Amino acid sequence: DQQVKQNSPSLSVQEGRISILNCDYTNSMFDYFLWYKKYPAEGPTFLISISSIKDKNEDGRFTVFLNKSAKHLSLHIVPSQPGDSAVYFCAASGGDMRFGAGTRLTVKP
Amino acid sequence: DTGVSQDPRHKITKRGQNVTFRCDPISEHNRLYWYRQTLGQGPEFLTYFQNEAQLEKSRLLSDRFSAERPKGSFSTLEIQRTEQGDSAMYLCASSLGPGTGPLAGGYTFGSGTRLTVV
Repeated sequence: DQQVKQNSPSLSVQEGRISILNCDYTNSMFDYFLWYKKYPAEGPTFLISISSIKDKNEDGRFTVFLNKSAKHLSLHIVPSQPGDSAVYFCAASGGDMRFGAGTRLTVKP
Repeated sequence: DTGVSQDPRHKITKRGQNVTFRCDPISEHNRLYWYRQTLGQGPEFLTYFQNEAQLEKSRLLSDRFSAERPKGSFSTLEIQRTEQGDSAMYLCASSLGPGTGPLAGGYTFGSGTRLTVV
């Protein structure tokens, strides 16, 4: 059962522009949502999280938005940089952590 | 502390053989998780430990899979009678507590063990 879904397998943006990565979930019991970034040959690394009681969390160029009524969250990266090119996983926690399939972001110089 | 270490990085085995992977978590982390990742998918939860107690196992973890964390430090994941469908990246992660919350940093993942069953 896929409780966390990332429907866009890939996204390409120009350097300096905004990257928006989307994620949907089905389980209303999730209480934390996280974004991880993964480079080839490495494990995922934690990027940013948000509690289910909040609707926005910002950390530098990265902002996560949560819409509980729509069971949707998004990660905004602005401005995007070539070093941001990686696979981004959305994850949701309500005990153990469930991951989406990932979105490959490519930031073109 | 250099983070979460996994050994080996790569393993090629013949179908039907047994394999064992090791994970050394961050020393002060009391929780340890095993995930499996196949191509084009996100990590799938297999099992987790709090200290030496195995608290949850996914239905993905068939009887051929067994995980241990005997002293609450390192963990091993054994797959018996491997099948080609077991080919995947096996990821270990650790956290202090649940890894969530305003001061938490999620899970810290190792680089994984890539298993190829031929």
